[in-house]
Amino acid sequence: GESVGLHLPTLSVQEGDNSIINCAYSNSASDYFIWYKQESGKGPQFIIDIRSNMDKRQGQRVTVLLNKTVKHLSLQIAATQPGDSAVYFCAEKGNSGGYQKVTFGTGTKLQVIP
Amino acid sequence: EPEVTQTPSHQVTQMGQEVILRCVPISNHLYFYWYRQILGQKVEFLVSFYNNEISEKSEIFDDQFSVERPDGSNFTLKIRSTKLEDSAMYFCASTGQGSGQPQHFGDGTRLSIL
Repeated sequence: GESVGLHLPTLSVQEGDNSIINCAYSNSASDYFIWYKQESGKGPQFIIDIRSNMDKRQGQRVTVLLNKTVKHLSLQIAATQPGDSAVYFCAEKGNSGGYQKVTFGTGTKLQVIP
Repeated sequence: EPEVTQTPSHQVTQMGQEVILRCVPISNHLYFYWYRQILGQKVEFLVSFYNNEISEKSEIFDDQFSVERPDGSNFTLKIRSTKLEDSAMYFCASTGQGSGQPQHFGDGTRLSIL
């Protein structure tokens, strides 16, 4: 079946360096993508989203890049801090509105080394 | 900032017993969801709810599961006869109307079936 998945299960980065977390999706009908951060014992926390008519979107210290040609999504975190340590999930929706479910990938654990 | 709240944070129940998980979505949101996350695995969709009825449900959401919005603020998930494999984190989420609205998640209820 179609799915959203992640390339790397664990990523270790030095504090202050930039982090890049990658995600591959296979549902070509997806037109809305979200990155969530999940800290231990907490629910997924919205970080940033992007619609399929865009290829880049920037937030505060985070950037999401979308390459529809190869069905690839990435999350870039600038100047990674210890508080960024968490599991990061990419997720997709079939369309950007309405009640459609979110389909999550398997998650990448980001470890920030002080 | 408004948030989704879930109670209890941890529920321990004997196998075969009924359990009700409670959620208070963000007040002006219209779409409501339940997801679950088995330890170490990805977040899985269970059910979406809009306009007082189920919009979509997954194959996990069988006849043992039901959802209800008993009043203007609460949204509940009931498992009629719990099984050991129902042990998981259960997350409630809500989203507002309009395109490009991300789902906001609560911090979950950890359900342990003995």
